[in-house]
Amino acid sequence: QSALTQPPSLSAAPGQKVIISCSGSSSNIGSNYVSWYQHLPGTAPKLLIYDNNKRPSGIPDRFSASKSGTSATLGITGLQTGDEAYYYCGTYHSNLGTVFGGGTKLTVL
Amino acid sequence: QVQLVQSGAEVKKPGASVMVSCKASGYSFTSHYIHWVRQAPGQGLEWMGWIHPSSGGTTYEPRFQGRITMTRDTSITTVYLDLSRLKSDDTAVYFCARDFDGSSSSPFDYWGQGTMVTVSS
Repeated sequence: QSALTQPPSLSAAPGQKVIISCSGSSSNIGSNYVSWYQHLPGTAPKLLIYDNNKRPSGIPDRFSASKSGTSATLGITGLQTGDEAYYYCGTYHSNLGTVFGGGTKLTVL
Repeated sequence: QVQLVQSGAEVKKPGASVMVSCKASGYSFTSHYIHWVRQAPGQGLEWMGWIHPSSGGTTYEPRFQGRITMTRDTSITTVYLDLSRLKSDDTAVYFCARDFDGSSSSPFDYWGQGTMVTVSS
């Protein structure tokens, strides 16, 4: 069982917006920055968001994120078929190190 | 450009050990932590621990304590993951990943391509 809770799956149509949630505790999300990763099976995960809401160079502004208390969300607008992937939230947990959510499979149909 | 290149797939029997390597290039090897993350079939990402290439210091996820060793060879900018007493549920893709800004608690901006380790009798 993952330290962070995400919905197992979501689906939305091309062009629409989707929001992926990530719930934790005061020991992880509540006291540390949240990051988000995109993972296509067979490839390496890609960092989408760091420090709760910052995008690394090259990540389009269709991807946005926020954090409030012990929860965080990732928003993707203008969905494209290429966005179909697994999305993971991650943060640091005191005494445990880095922790991830269980992942959300996003289907764009 | 930053690259992390991992060794190839491994097949091991239960009880054996496996060593996976991760060669770093394109940045200052001793300035960033290297973490190991694995993904079992049908499962999510699981953090295993980190090593700081400069000092050789390590931190491991408690569930792996006693079975895991991370080492480095600074002369060839390579980090190694050694996992012993393998069980079938150690079957997974193992990734090495670099921290974003030189902190052990920061996210991972570059990842290796992954190494499949299969544990089967």
